Amino acid sequence: GQNIDQPTEMTATEGAIVQINCTYQTSGFNGLFWYQQHAGEAPTFLSYNVLDGLEEKGRFSSFLSRSKGYSYLLLKELQMKDSASYLCAVRAAGNKLTFGGGTRVLVKP
Amino acid sequence: ETGVTQTPRHLVMGMTNKKSLKCEQHLGHNAMYWYKQSAKKPLELMFVYNFKEQTENNSVPSRFSPECPNSSHLFLHLHTLQPEDSALYLCASSQENPGADGYTFGSGTRLTVV
Repeated sequence: GQNIDQPTEMTATEGAIVQINCTYQTSGFNGLFWYQQHAGEAPTFLSYNVLDGLEEKGRFSSFLSRSKGYSYLLLKELQMKDSASYLCAVRAAGNKLTFGGGTRVLVKP
Repeated sequence: ETGVTQTPRHLVMGMTNKKSLKCEQHLGHNAMYWYKQSAKKPLELMFVYNFKEQTENNSVPSRFSPECPNSSHLFLHLHTLQPEDSALYLCASSQENPGADGYTFGSGTRLTVV
């Protein structure tokens, strides 16, 4: 079976850094994705990790450790528009994508 | 626009009604998916189609009936639904072997069953 865990909610201040952790236990692994979802909107792709290490893309970075079944999404220089849900998802076998429950991030002024 | 278009955006239906949700993509993808997003629950995969063939049915009740006439269009036919089926239904598409391109989601249909 698949099990993907991430915190339910986090609060941070504008301009600060927030790290969202994701742990997973899946049968098979073909990549880990992070998505951002604003309320009432489509999830939008943020990052993809398939090898261990850090992927940096502007203010957003994502890290993967396959041996630990662990990833994090790092959001730097937080802006008010970053208030959203962040979804961790794992592609196990085939092209099935399984999601965690999402982490709602609230950015305060 | 995300490249994946879903209609309608909102739908209210009675338990005895029959309705259909539509999804369309013009990204050249050959895999399409239906997901259900309920409050306080993870996105749940419902169906997967690869090259118009259904390759995954995640134990979905028969009151949900998918149809994929071609690689660009996906439907979800609904009949005799229950109030607990009220949720956001998201369609997504991808290449058959999605890597860094990931999956592209539509904005969803917000379904309310009364």
